[in-house]
Amino acid sequence: DVKVTQSSRYLVKRTGEKVFLECVQDMDHENMFWYRQDPGLGLRLIYFSYDVKMKEKGDIPEGYSVSREKKERFSLILESASTNQTSMYLCASSSPGTGDGNTIYFGEGSWLTVV
Amino acid sequence: DQQVKQNSPSLSVQEGRISILNCDYTNSMFDYFLWYKKYPAEGPTFLISISSIKDKNEDGRFTVFLNKSAKHLSLHIVPSQPGDSAVYFCAAIRSGAGSYQLTFGKGTKLSVIP
Repeated sequence: DVKVTQSSRYLVKRTGEKVFLECVQDMDHENMFWYRQDPGLGLRLIYFSYDVKMKEKGDIPEGYSVSREKKERFSLILESASTNQTSMYLCASSSPGTGDGNTIYFGEGSWLTVV
Repeated sequence: DQQVKQNSPSLSVQEGRISILNCDYTNSMFDYFLWYKKYPAEGPTFLISISSIKDKNEDGRFTVFLNKSAKHLSLHIVPSQPGDSAVYFCAAIRSGAGSYQLTFGKGTKLSVIP
């Protein structure tokens, strides 16, 4: 079974703090993703990476950055947290290719509250 | 422009009855479709998928139907159980595209009433 692990499940941070969300996958997947989920807005892609040290912006990259130093690890960074970044953050991974390669596997999510 | 639409934000169904969750898409290039299920405070889990070469795919109590001409797919759950209460996301992609191009709907919250 694919395992995507998000190290922090629940975080409370102050406005202006730098926040790191860590994610590790154990399936040797090339692709990794960060989404956020908000009620009524569905899943929105923040950033993705298709290889080590490679990153691409998703639909809502503003206020975020990412780091992928190792294939299995993908970090999301909030340089200066703001209250509108209070959300559930979901890390995911997939292998390249068609068909089942389009299936994305998600971690359990990280609830971030910015006060 | 929303390319994958789930027009019902919520749905309530009696236990034992059929649940039908609908999804419409606008991009005719989409040819692979997935459903994900999400419980509160957990990440989405893959439920079932269908390729455009089929019009039906079944997995136990879950069946997905695809109507390409109408650009419509639906997820049927029979019989519905209280444990099926969750948010269901429909997703679509064009074969050959990178997984980052998987486009999600906004979700439908299913409540199965005992």
